[in-house]
Amino acid sequence: EAAVTQSPRNKVAVTGGKVTLSCNQTNNHNNMYWYRQDTGHGLRLIHYSYGAGSTEKGDIPDGYKASRPSQENFSLILELATPSQTSVYFCASGDRGGQDTQYFGPGTRLLVL
Amino acid sequence: QQQVRQSPQSLTVWEGGTTVLTCSYEDSTFNYFPWYQQFPGEGPALLISILSVSDKKEDGRFTTFFNKREKKLSLHIIDSQPGDSATYFCAASGTGGYKVVFGSGTRLLVSP
Repeated sequence: EAAVTQSPRNKVAVTGGKVTLSCNQTNNHNNMYWYRQDTGHGLRLIHYSYGAGSTEKGDIPDGYKASRPSQENFSLILELATPSQTSVYFCASGDRGGQDTQYFGPGTRLLVL
Repeated sequence: QQQVRQSPQSLTVWEGGTTVLTCSYEDSTFNYFPWYQQFPGEGPALLISILSVSDKKEDGRFTTFFNKREKKLSLHIIDSQPGDSATYFCAASGTGGYKVVFGSGTRLLVSP
């Protein structure tokens, strides 16, 4: 069965600190995505990747970096975390671009103090 | 910016009733419209989807309707059950793109 896992599941960070959120997928999908979910905004795309070594900016990339070192792994990096980045972050994978089913991980709840 | 508008923000229906969620969009290039269901503490999961060449798709108690002229879509849940209580997102994407635009979500509560 398709599987997307995220770590950590919960994270408390301090303002100005560095935060790395990790995502692993065993679907062998080419495409991976990072979203944040906030009440009233739904899911907003931060970064995405269409293969190892590639990263692309989504709709709200400011303050975030992404890294795709392998087919399976996709990381989201907050170099200087701010309270406005407090949110729930979801990773997803898919195989055929926008018209494919996206398989989501369980989410990471991030609190920046 | 591409937008998908979803309503209502929250909804309560009685068990056995019919739930109707609606979405509208602006970008005429959108041609694929999935609905995702999300339970608390979990990631969203695909519930049902429709391509713009169709106007209706059914899957058990769930039916999605698409109106290309009005740029609207809806999700109908008949015989709603407490287990259907979740947040529902409509979404849209176009041919050849990697991005999916999500609506803001509808929190559904089905009361026994």
